[in-house]
Amino acid sequence: KAGVTQTPRYLIKTRGQQVTLSCSPISGHRSVSWYQQTPGQGLQFLFEYFSETQRNKGNFPGRFSGRQFSNSRSEMNVSTLELGDSALYLCASWGGGRLVKGEQFFGPGTRLTVL
Amino acid sequence: AQSVTQPDIHITVSEGASLELRCNYSYGATPYLFWYVQSPGQGLQLLLKYFSGDTLVQGIKGFEAEFKRSQSSFNLRKPSVHWSDAAEYFCAVGDDGNKLVFGAGTILRVKS
Repeated sequence: KAGVTQTPRYLIKTRGQQVTLSCSPISGHRSVSWYQQTPGQGLQFLFEYFSETQRNKGNFPGRFSGRQFSNSRSEMNVSTLELGDSALYLCASWGGGRLVKGEQFFGPGTRLTVL
Repeated sequence: AQSVTQPDIHITVSEGASLELRCNYSYGATPYLFWYVQSPGQGLQLLLKYFSGDTLVQGIKGFEAEFKRSQSSFNLRKPSVHWSDAAEYFCAVGDDGNKLVFGAGTILRVKS
């Protein structure tokens, strides 16, 4: 069974641009979460989607948004990029519903660099 | 709000020596607790998890962790470390909202 895939793996943007990151969950998984990882702030929860609905949101500005499609694939978008948005963005998927035994499977991440 | 503290930023152990990584959590209810490992440039791999029941949980790669409610701790242990265990280790607590709150991580170095 294929794992969580994230595209692209690396991305370089300039300040003010916007970016879209993609996450394909494990087949059959209906829930997707996004996390931002930076050296200064560590791993921080961005948002979580289940069946195309955002169920939970972390403490990030409105420039960060996401969505989930009917096939459970998810995208996150960051508009008006700032230097501080440079980070590794991780996507995690699991079966769905409530936290099902904590089996959140993480993708390799997308490394975003903002210049 | 829940929080996780990993007091050790770096730990260096000799290959073959035992390992213990510390984790303390703050959470009002019964916590869901996890240990993840991250190799450079990679995502997170789940080592083990605790939900309820036996307080000593076994994970992959020979790791185990013990949940101690009285100390709000969930320390990770391994009896004999291998060079391939060098990585960053994260303790996390999960809430009912499917959100994981992570500690700052502990970087493990293994010297030969």
